[in-house]
Amino acid sequence: DQQVKQNSPSLSVQEGRISILNCDYTNSMFDYFLWYKKYPAEGPTFLISISSIKDKNEDGRFTVFLNKSAKHLSLHIVPSQPGDSAVYFCAASVCLSAGNNRKLIWGLGTSLAVNP
Amino acid sequence: DTGVSQNPRHKITKRGQNVTFRCDPISEHNRLYWYRQTLGQGPEFLTYFQNEAQLEKSRLLSDRFSAERPKGSFSTLEIQRTEQGDSAMYLCASSLQENTEAFFGQGTRLTVV
Repeated sequence: DQQVKQNSPSLSVQEGRISILNCDYTNSMFDYFLWYKKYPAEGPTFLISISSIKDKNEDGRFTVFLNKSAKHLSLHIVPSQPGDSAVYFCAASVCLSAGNNRKLIWGLGTSLAVNP
Repeated sequence: DTGVSQNPRHKITKRGQNVTFRCDPISEHNRLYWYRQTLGQGPEFLTYFQNEAQLEKSRLLSDRFSAERPKGSFSTLEIQRTEQGDSAMYLCASSLQENTEAFFGQGTRLTVV
């Protein structure tokens, strides 16, 4: 059962336009969400995160929106650049116990291609 | 500190052989995670350490897999009697206890032939 779902395996966008990557989750206990970017043959790189107490977090060209009622978050990249071409993973964090132990649950990723 | 470091970057081994990977986390990070990733999948959690204590192991981690973090710094992941299904990218990540962002190494690509 996939608790974090990225329903679009791929996305193609023209340079300069907006890229919107979507992520849905099922577990209402998730309280922290992260986006990672991964280039081929490299480990994932942390991109941006959002706490469940917020609905928006912005960092330069990257903005993450969280809709808790819909259990949906999205990553917006504006403007998109060819160097943004990578696989983007959505991950959700849940506290496991009172000892501040946390676990990350990952989506399957969306491959973004930004065309010049 | 240049971030999380993993060695080797690539490993090709024959089926049945043992392999060991090393991960050096960011120095002040208490937590260290091991993940496995196959093509087209998100990272799959294997195990994590808080300092030298191994706090959780995934059911994906069979008896052939063992991980250690003896001094709470670097960690090793050993796979005994490798199988072709073990071929994957093995990722290590570290984080501060208080934070939830995990920073990943570049991974070790294992190919079992």
